[in-house]
Amino acid sequence: AQSVTQLGSHVSVSEGALVLLRCNYSSSVPPYLFWYVQYPNQGLQLLLKYTSAATLVKGINGFEAEFKKSETSFHLTKPSAHMSDAAEYFCAVSGGYQKVTFGTGTKLQVIP
Amino acid sequence: NAGVTQTPKFQVLKTGQSMTLQCAQDMNHEYMSWYRQDPGMGLRLIHYSVGAGITDQGEVPNGYNVSRSTTEDFPLRLLSAAPSQTSVYFCASSLVSGTRNTEAFFGQGTRLTVV
Repeated sequence: AQSVTQLGSHVSVSEGALVLLRCNYSSSVPPYLFWYVQYPNQGLQLLLKYTSAATLVKGINGFEAEFKKSETSFHLTKPSAHMSDAAEYFCAVSGGYQKVTFGTGTKLQVIP
Repeated sequence: NAGVTQTPKFQVLKTGQSMTLQCAQDMNHEYMSWYRQDPGMGLRLIHYSVGAGITDQGEVPNGYNVSRSTTEDFPLRLLSAAPSQTSVYFCASSLVSGTRNTEAFFGQGTRLTVV
């Protein structure tokens, strides 16, 4: 089976502060991992993906994530939060079952 | 390039009514799927298809049917709507690499209310 755990359903940061959204996964085979962002009343769009190449992955809007096999983690970071980063973020895993499993999401609030 | 197109965007149904949510993609992706999104529960897989003529159940398939007669289209049918099916529905498509999905492309969603 495969699964994703996102720690913290709501995260608040001050504008300019570090953003850290946590994701842990389980998979019986080497996984592909994804972070998606969802703005209000919109569909999901890809932020970044890990497909077994470089373990540090850079995405759009200054976000990056590091694949750590020993910790089964794929945390999302951004050095300096902007107001426009306020959204819901989803971590997802694709393992050996031709399915994608999503986490329950983390809503990011950016405080001016 | 339209990507993934879902219709309708909004729908209100009465309990017991049936309807079909349409989904079409123009990227020649073999893999298509339907999710429902409910507060605090993330996206849950309803049904998926790995190619024309092939469909399978996800984690919450009850009350829904799908078919895949072409690569482009993957409609979701609600057989007899229930208030528990009030949700936002997303269709997605992606390429498959072995047994793993690559990037998923999502439609804009259908907000369904069952009264």
